[in-house]
Amino acid sequence: SAVISQKPSRDICQRGTSLTIQCQVDSQVTMMFWYRQQPGQSLTLIATANQGSEATYESGFVIDKFPISRPNLTFSTLTVSNMSPEDSSIYLCSVIPGSSYNEQFFGPGTRLTVL
Amino acid sequence: LAKTTQPISMDSYEGQEVNITCSHNNIATNDYITWYQQFPSQGPRFIIQGYKTKVTNEVASLFIPADRKSSTLSLPRVSLSDTAVYYCLVGTYGQNFVFGPGTRLSVLP
Repeated sequence: SAVISQKPSRDICQRGTSLTIQCQVDSQVTMMFWYRQQPGQSLTLIATANQGSEATYESGFVIDKFPISRPNLTFSTLTVSNMSPEDSSIYLCSVIPGSSYNEQFFGPGTRLTVL
Repeated sequence: LAKTTQPISMDSYEGQEVNITCSHNNIATNDYITWYQQFPSQGPRFIIQGYKTKVTNEVASLFIPADRKSSTLSLPRVSLSDTAVYYCLVGTYGQNFVFGPGTRLSVLP
């Protein structure tokens, strides 16, 4: 298993600013992902955070808007840049520990409101 | 990636057994089937995973027919606390997992 924490848990931001969300895991994991969940909707994968290399982004998401860092196997950050009200969502990180086949563990999420 | 289809919502009463079926017609040979539960304001939580036939754990059972084109999550004797959204995912290790719309289960007293 894996225990994941995210900071901040929530934030209210002004249009045009940026917010960096941190994801910390209690053990080393190879696979780490960032998701977005808009109110009342399902989860949408933003990118796979790769340790030591650039993140792999899904269709519709670009590095300039959602830069991701993964400096080691227990930590990652997602930045939401130049925010607009449409970016208001819950952002979640998840991991797949090496010992669990396909079982993802999710963080509690960061609730972002952009005014 | 195999696409999944689930009912959007279901209602049940406390103490009943609930069965949620997921269709995944183009499942690949190496794909596993995984179910997650999500409560409001929380990240999804793993419930159960299987490849074929039947899998049972302390909270649920997963039934997978021989052709693997569908699967059924069975929740025995649901309680109010089982009210949540349930997601069916299909994929293999190393793949990116696509969450469908999920099934919103409401358990009524």
